[in-house]
Amino acid sequence: DAGVIQSPRHEVTEMGQEVTLRCKPISGHNSLFWYRQTMMRGLELLIYFNNNVPIDDSGMPEDRFSAKMPNASFSTLKIQPSEPRDSAVYFCASSFAGQETQYFGPGTRLLVL
Amino acid sequence: AQSVTQLDSQVPVFEEAPVELRCNYSSSVSVYLFWYVQYPNQGLQLLLKYLSGSTLVKGINGFEAEFNKSQTSFHLRKPSVHISDTAEYFCAVSDSDYKLSFGAGTTVTVRA
Repeated sequence: DAGVIQSPRHEVTEMGQEVTLRCKPISGHNSLFWYRQTMMRGLELLIYFNNNVPIDDSGMPEDRFSAKMPNASFSTLKIQPSEPRDSAVYFCASSFAGQETQYFGPGTRLLVL
Repeated sequence: AQSVTQLDSQVPVFEEAPVELRCNYSSSVSVYLFWYVQYPNQGLQLLLKYLSGSTLVKGINGFEAEFNKSQTSFHLRKPSVHISDTAEYFCAVSDSDYKLSFGAGTTVTVRA
C-alpha cells in the first residue's frame, strides 16, 4: 500500500499568490482530514470529509482557505490569497469511517514570503 | 471537549537507557488514546492506541503505554532506546469517531 500521498512536498510562494495542496488518501478509506502544524499552535484539524462530503470545517481559519474532495481518491486544500502567517506544514490523513486510526501523509511544507 | 497535556517538551536520554513520556488528558466521556511519532521531515506514524480492554498497550518499535483512568494518564515507555528513536512524540485523544486532539509534543533526543 502506497500510504497517503501528498504533493507538493515543499512549496515556496509569495504573499498574495494562490496555493493548492493535493492529497490522495489510502485506497478504500472513506474519511479524509486536513491538518496544519505550526510551532505556535501545534497540530490543528482544519477540515474533515466523510464519503467526499465536508462534515466539519470549523477549523478552517478564514475564507481564504477552501477544501474540496471531488472523488474518493483526491482532495485539495487551496489558499487564496496566501499570507506569510499561512506558513506551516499541512498534513492530510485518511481512515475508515468509524475506525479510530488515522494514517498521515508526509506533509507539505509551505513557506509564504 | 477533550484536551491533552504532554508534561515534558524535551526529553534528552542516553542510548540504551529507559524513557517515559508523560501524557494527561481531560474528557467528560470515554476516550480513545493514541501515541504518534514524527521523525524529522516526515508525517505522523501511529505507535500504539488504547480503545478498550487491557490497560497495558504494546506498540511498534518496543514502545508500550499504560492507560490509567483514575489519573487520566496515558504515559509512553520504552525500556531501552536507540539513536533511531530520536523524534517528536505526540499524545492524542478522541471521544468520537474522527476528531483527534493532539498534545503539544515531546521531543526525544537520544545521545550515544
